[in-house]
Amino acid sequence: LAKTTQPISMDSYEGQEVNITCSHNNIATNDYITWYQQFPSQGPRFIIQGYKTKVTNEVASLFIPADRKSSTLSLPRVSLSDTAVYYCLVGDPNNAGNMLTFGGGTRLMVKP
Amino acid sequence: GAVVSQHPSRVICKSGTSVKIECRSLDFQATTMFWYRQFPKQSLMLMATSNEGSKATYEQGVEKDKFLINHASLTLSTLTVTSAHPEDSSFYICSARDRLAGGNEQFFGPGTRLTVL
Repeated sequence: LAKTTQPISMDSYEGQEVNITCSHNNIATNDYITWYQQFPSQGPRFIIQGYKTKVTNEVASLFIPADRKSSTLSLPRVSLSDTAVYYCLVGDPNNAGNMLTFGGGTRLMVKP
Repeated sequence: GAVVSQHPSRVICKSGTSVKIECRSLDFQATTMFWYRQFPKQSLMLMATSNEGSKATYEQGVEKDKFLINHASLTLSTLTVTSAHPEDSSFYICSARDRLAGGNEQFFGPGTRLTVL
């Protein structure tokens, strides 16, 4: 299974754009990249998923370079409520045993 | 959207007792459910994969006789922590995949906080 590496923590201020990068050097051909958000004492919440290039939804964008060895979650204009832990997972969505290994995550602190 | 519930949300019990945690998919059928454990300030760790109508698959290091998993229907999986001890105190989270939508996304429950005195 592809291992992921993320910064342990990041600080930002309200209104700024935040970019969190995840390294996954041994990503496999069939693997997708998925990001989750987790607030304290809650289950993780799906943010975005992608395979290559760029994916955008109503809350975030995901940038994946051509070699797919890394990915960047971009949160536009963060607010205090975006303070959470963000996890990057890599795996084959068609394999029931994949995409179940959570790395350390990135603890984002948004300050006023 | 797909909703997964857990019950109870928190439980406090005495050492040596057993605790059952329920995980339900409310608006979809889940052939497979997953159970995770999360200690404070740490990441989620997969404990076991629960398949409807068959035995659960446990991750290395997880005692199957201590953490009993039953997945009797497509919408319910239960985790029973038997003879709980203080070191079992943790945040237990389940997730489920929508059988009809394919294996693309996990939907997580809100978690159950277990405190063993």
